[in-house]
Amino acid sequence: DAKTTQPTSMDCAEGRAANLPCNHSTISGNEYVYWYRQIHSQGPQYIIHGLKNNETNEMASLIITEDRKSSTLILPHATLRDTAVYYCIGYQTGANNLFFGTGTRLTVIP
Amino acid sequence: KAGVTQTPRYLIKTRGQQVTLSCSPISGHRSVSWYQQTPGQGLQFLFEYFSETQRNKGNFPGRFSGRQFSNSRSEMNVSTLELGDSALYLCASRLGQGRTDTQYFGPGTRLTVL
Repeated sequence: DAKTTQPTSMDCAEGRAANLPCNHSTISGNEYVYWYRQIHSQGPQYIIHGLKNNETNEMASLIITEDRKSSTLILPHATLRDTAVYYCIGYQTGANNLFFGTGTRLTVIP
Repeated sequence: KAGVTQTPRYLIKTRGQQVTLSCSPISGHRSVSWYQQTPGQGLQFLFEYFSETQRNKGNFPGRFSGRQFSNSRSEMNVSTLELGDSALYLCASRLGQGRTDTQYFGPGTRLTVL
């Protein structure tokens, strides 16, 4: 499996950048890294995904290391509404479905 | 474009009963996946349907089944409910089955088994 490792929890001050790290040392060469977040038991919300180049969209930026063993999701100006569990995930080996780990609980503090 | 919709949003059943949950994917999406989320096990993949055929299946007992209709809408069924089936059931849709086809999740159905 494309197992990922994330810190259990993080805090971030409102208005500051939130940097969420993820280790995925077993990811295969053609496997994308996806980021989702889940706010208070709602359905997971897609944020961004990438293969090896850095990616940016209206929600966040994704920085993937050159060896692809880790990545960082960056929320440039965190707001209270960004408080959620953030999942860094890849596809389950041999299957075509997302493999969710335990994620990082991000708390944005006023 | 409307998102993924799931009905009902909340459901209470008793042990031994069966339940059917419904999912309507985003218009144009042909793949539907189901996930179970519990506090103890987290988010776990149940199965995926594409073109009315089950393409992938997670590690769940046969009491969990599903189907997909020609309009891509999907239903999942749980028979002989157990207390441990209490969970948030999530449906996700995507255009096809490619690994770059992003999955978009619905709000979920909260099932409580008493």
